[in-house]
Amino acid sequence: GNSVTQMEGPVTLSEEAFLTINCTYTATGYPSLFWYVQYPGEGLQLLLKATKADDKGSNKGFEATYRKETTSFHLEKGSVQVSDSAVYFCALSQAGTALIFGKGTTLSVSS
Amino acid sequence: DTGVSQDPRHKITKRGQNVTFRCDPISEHNRLYWYRQTLGQGPEFLTYFQNEAQLEKSRLLSDRFSAERPKGSFSTLEIQRTEQGDSAMYLCASSFGDSLYNEQFFGPGTRLTVL
Repeated sequence: GNSVTQMEGPVTLSEEAFLTINCTYTATGYPSLFWYVQYPGEGLQLLLKATKADDKGSNKGFEATYRKETTSFHLEKGSVQVSDSAVYFCALSQAGTALIFGKGTTLSVSS
Repeated sequence: DTGVSQDPRHKITKRGQNVTFRCDPISEHNRLYWYRQTLGQGPEFLTYFQNEAQLEKSRLLSDRFSAERPKGSFSTLEIQRTEQGDSAMYLCASSFGDSLYNEQFFGPGTRLTVL
């Protein structure tokens, strides 16, 4: 079946450090890929998305590229801020059906 | 547009009681999803509707769980004879079904605690 695996957390960084959160997936066909973020005390929000191979999703300085050859969708940001502290979820969806989420990665950024 | 809303935000109940949650999706969205999230885990899919039709149910949705979307607008999720293992955050999401990206917008969730 379809599944998403993302790196274990927590990830602890200093402000302005480079961030990578790894995400790999298993799926048949060509799923859409997403990164969702959950800030403390808030609901899930879509951060970025990509629907086909080599697409790059980007938002708020975060980027992720849909790599079909490595079945990956790693999240990156060049310079993190304290306000980026949150839980990040990688997810996939096929044909507009249910999202399948990874377990989430907690990011903590200190000043 | 106020986004996806859920009611109640918190529910504490005793084992064996029935509970019902409500979700109001974004008004023009024809798809509505229910997920369950336990501490330290990602959301897990329970069921989804397109308009009033329930199109898919997860194996997680035991026979104690039932969901409805009677008029294709709001939805309810009922849990009968609650168990301590039902304690979780129950999330509702909605989307416009023809969207290429199927972007799902999530509500704030209902946190259920079963004592």
